[in-house]
Amino acid sequence: EVQLVESGGGLVQPGWSLRLSCRASGFTFGDHGMAWVRQAAGKGLEWVGFIRRNAYGGTTEYAASVKGRFTISRDDSKRIAYLQMNSLQTEDTAVYYCAKGRGNSWFSDAFDFWGQGTMVAVSS
Amino acid sequence: QSALTQPASVSGSPGQSITISCTGTSSDVGGYNYVSWYQQNPGKAPKLMIYDVSYRPSGVSDRFSGSKSGNTASLTISGLQTEDEADYYCTSYTSGITLVFGGGTKLTVL
Repeated sequence: EVQLVESGGGLVQPGWSLRLSCRASGFTFGDHGMAWVRQAAGKGLEWVGFIRRNAYGGTTEYAASVKGRFTISRDDSKRIAYLQMNSLQTEDTAVYYCAKGRGNSWFSDAFDFWGQGTMVAVSS
Repeated sequence: QSALTQPASVSGSPGQSITISCTGTSSDVGGYNYVSWYQQNPGKAPKLMIYDVSYRPSGVSDRFSGSKSGNTASLTISGLQTEDEADYYCTSYTSGITLVFGGGTKLTVL
């Protein structure tokens, strides 16, 4: 059974940093790209970014709203994807989901499994 | 990258068919066959319903179908059931090598 479990969320002040983790099980983690998607309370889904599988260099893509502040990485030996968030702003407050890319292509445009989400609140 | 445009809400009666539209530009929806649709129930994670415009993942009812014409993609649900009531989001690959979501559509089954 595929499982994705996010952790690391919490309440932080503007300008602070936070690192989220997404622990995966039930599939060959290294064969898939992984994405982070967020959702502010009562709002829609927003794609945050994506990391390719190492066969494609493990390179990353980001939404313009987080580029330069957020970094996605992965540790295939531990089956974990990370989201390092720096210079957090109040508008980053949201539930953050990690999601598994369907298939093993260069860019994952669809996600067939999602975690339960972890809440990040940025407030002074 | 602006969000794709979806109607805020749609409604239908059990047994009816409804269609949710998702309008973008030639730089996203119109330029690539990489449109997906997700169903989200309150407090739950999204569920993939359609990928690559019209393909259904294993386990998704064939009452759900997807299509695209020009810069607009559509999700059709036939034989509407009360359990279909949820929020639906489209998403598309973009020329900027990113993904963009629609604003979401709340489906009410009357």
